[in-house]
Amino acid sequence: GAVVSQHPSRVICKSGTSVKIECRSLDFQATTMFWYRQFPKKSLMLMATSNEGSKATYEQGVEKDKFLINHASLTLSTLTVTSAHPEDSSFYICSAKAGGPNTEAFFGQGTRLTVV
Amino acid sequence: GNSVTQMEGPVTLSEEAFLTINCTYTATGYPSLFWYVQYPGEGLQLLLKATKADDKGSNKGFEATYRKETTSFHLEKGSVQVSDSAVYFCALSDLGGSTLGRLYFGRGTQLTVWP
Repeated sequence: GAVVSQHPSRVICKSGTSVKIECRSLDFQATTMFWYRQFPKKSLMLMATSNEGSKATYEQGVEKDKFLINHASLTLSTLTVTSAHPEDSSFYICSAKAGGPNTEAFFGQGTRLTVV
Repeated sequence: GNSVTQMEGPVTLSEEAFLTINCTYTATGYPSLFWYVQYPGEGLQLLLKATKADDKGSNKGFEATYRKETTSFHLEKGSVQVSDSAVYFCALSDLGGSTLGRLYFGRGTQLTVWP
């Protein structure tokens, strides 16, 4: 299947700093990218959906000013956690799709964020 | 709305045992159903899928049948291996929604297989 690369795989940062996570589709053009957050022993929760060149659509309860999403090209989307706090510590996963609703979504390997 | 309910784990089995992980769903339209697998330290990989009622998805010895009458998509494997140890997620895709096929996930079931 297609490859989605997420970087970094692990990051530790201090409270109050910002962290950027990259999601790249390596061998296809991703018209739509999704960002999920995975809590321990819980499901993946969709944070936002982004389409290339347009603003991301955030799920209810997700602070768009805190979780900045940029989908600047068909192969790259970034999630920036601004002014991170310990409660933002989590596993963040991106997925990317090449076409419409019937196309398969491919997932990155995830980023473990720890805010100390 | 759309949601997925998955049996809680962890599930611990001996090698060659039979595996069932239950999954039921609620959906407003006609969703596609998926099982994803997450190996330690890795992202999610699609294991199998079914796009309409009575379809059976299969891959690597795993099977699941889309049962509309019981709104279920249970995952089964006749003989598990140690290498099957992973977290398994049931998911549905809201094809008729406005978010271009976003996925709704169950909580995940941790499977550990002992030799």
